Amino acid sequence: QQPVQSPQAVILREGEDAVINCSSSKALYSVHWYRQKHGEAPVFLMILLKGGEQMRHEKISASFNEKKQQSSLYLTASQLSYSGTYFCGTGEGAQKLVFGQGTRLTINP
Amino acid sequence: EAQVTQNPRYLITVTGKKLTVTCSQNMNHEYMSWYRQDPGLGLRQIYYSMNVEVTDKGDVPEGYKVSRKEKRNFPLILESPSPNQTSLYFCASSLSRGWYYGYTFGSGTRLTVV
Repeated sequence: QQPVQSPQAVILREGEDAVINCSSSKALYSVHWYRQKHGEAPVFLMILLKGGEQMRHEKISASFNEKKQQSSLYLTASQLSYSGTYFCGTGEGAQKLVFGQGTRLTINP
Repeated sequence: EAQVTQNPRYLITVTGKKLTVTCSQNMNHEYMSWYRQDPGLGLRQIYYSMNVEVTDKGDVPEGYKVSRKEKRNFPLILESPSPNQTSLYFCASSLSRGWYYGYTFGSGTRLTVV
């Protein structure tokens, strides 16, 4: 079963902050975050491992609550280049990564 | 340049005509995987491979075949394509395992089956 992402879409003005959530019903070994721009391939942002630290990529950070099987992606002082669809991928064992449906982020000037 | 190369980028075919989408990586990655992307459904895994000659089904394997005879190549085969296989396909690779390292994705193959 795919993890659930929320919200499905968000519209921001440049400089505003956003949070994207990813929730699974299964015990997780890891959570990945990817960004996909229109017409392009997904690009890896960061990975959070069970028992690991909070990660950061530029002004984007993420946390992983293993007990709640949830992860959140934090975009601080958003830039136009942050626009795209964000996917979380959950590592549930069995050597698989299962992706959520995605969150579309639009940044306006 | 480290990359995953997929071919072709675009393909239009007719129902029942066998086709192969190629995928090659130059990073010596052990793990490779195929995903399909459909609107509102995100990325769904078709097949994955832990290493040469080791493959396993993902969440939507019906109608697809794969092989891993060489470490760098992981072709996706549709032996009898049907219109419900019209989709955007991505090949991905990672250093090893399936969830421990980040994935590098190919540029995608947009397949239309008429």
